[in-house]
Amino acid sequence: EDKVVQSPLSLVVHEGDTVTLNCSYEVTNFRSLLWYKQEKKAPTFLFMLTSSGIEKKSGRLSSILDKKELFSILNITATQTGDSAIYLCAGRGRGAQKLVFGQGTRLTINP
Amino acid sequence: SAVISQKPSRDICQRGTSLTIQCQVDSQVTMMFWYRQQPGQSLTLIATANQGSEATYESGFVIDKFPISRPNLTFSTLTVSNMSPEDSSIYLCSAYAGSLDTQYFGPGTRLTVL
Repeated sequence: EDKVVQSPLSLVVHEGDTVTLNCSYEVTNFRSLLWYKQEKKAPTFLFMLTSSGIEKKSGRLSSILDKKELFSILNITATQTGDSAIYLCAGRGRGAQKLVFGQGTRLTINP
Repeated sequence: SAVISQKPSRDICQRGTSLTIQCQVDSQVTMMFWYRQQPGQSLTLIATANQGSEATYESGFVIDKFPISRPNLTFSTLTVSNMSPEDSSIYLCSAYAGSLDTQYFGPGTRLTVL
C-alpha cells in the first residue's frame, strides 16, 4: 500500500527563522510528489516535483526531491506569520492521478 | 490553474439526513475527485468521479453511503447519506488539470452532523 510520511507533525518557530519540512514516500511506480499549503479548508498548490536534484523555487519557498532516498524537503526562509499553515505533501504513481497524502506538518510562526 | 467552486461552504445537519455537495470547475477537466478530511487528519480520497459512468470508490467507501454524480466534464456532486456525527468532516472536491499535470482543490465544505 502506498504511504507518505511527513515530519515533524508540528513545528513552532519565530518570525525570521528558516524551517525545513520533511516528506518520505513509498509509492508504487512513483511519478511525482506535490506540496500544498492549507490555511483554512482548501489546500493550495505549491510545487510538483518529478526529477531528483532539481530545486523548485517560489519566493522564500523551495523544494527538492531525492528519488534514490525517496524523500522531499520543503524549505521556507525568513518565515513570516502568514506562513502559518498546515503543509501537506502527496505522492502520485504513474498512470494514476489520485494522490496519497501525508499527515501534514502544522507550522506556527510566532511574531 | 483550474478554478473550482463548491457549495454549500458549510452546513449543520441532523443525524439520519442526507446532504448533497456540488462542485463546479471553470474548465473541462478529465478527472475529478472527492476527498474527506476528518478533524485533525489529513486528506483521504473517497472516490474518483467518472464522467458518464459510475464513480470509482476507494477501500472503505461505498456508493450507498457516498453516491456521486458527474453528468459532464465540469460538474460533480457528492451526497453524504444517512449521516451520523462521524461524518463531520471537510469534504473537498479536486480536479486534475492535464495541461499542468497537477491537481487543484475547491474551497471545501465543512459539514457538522449533530
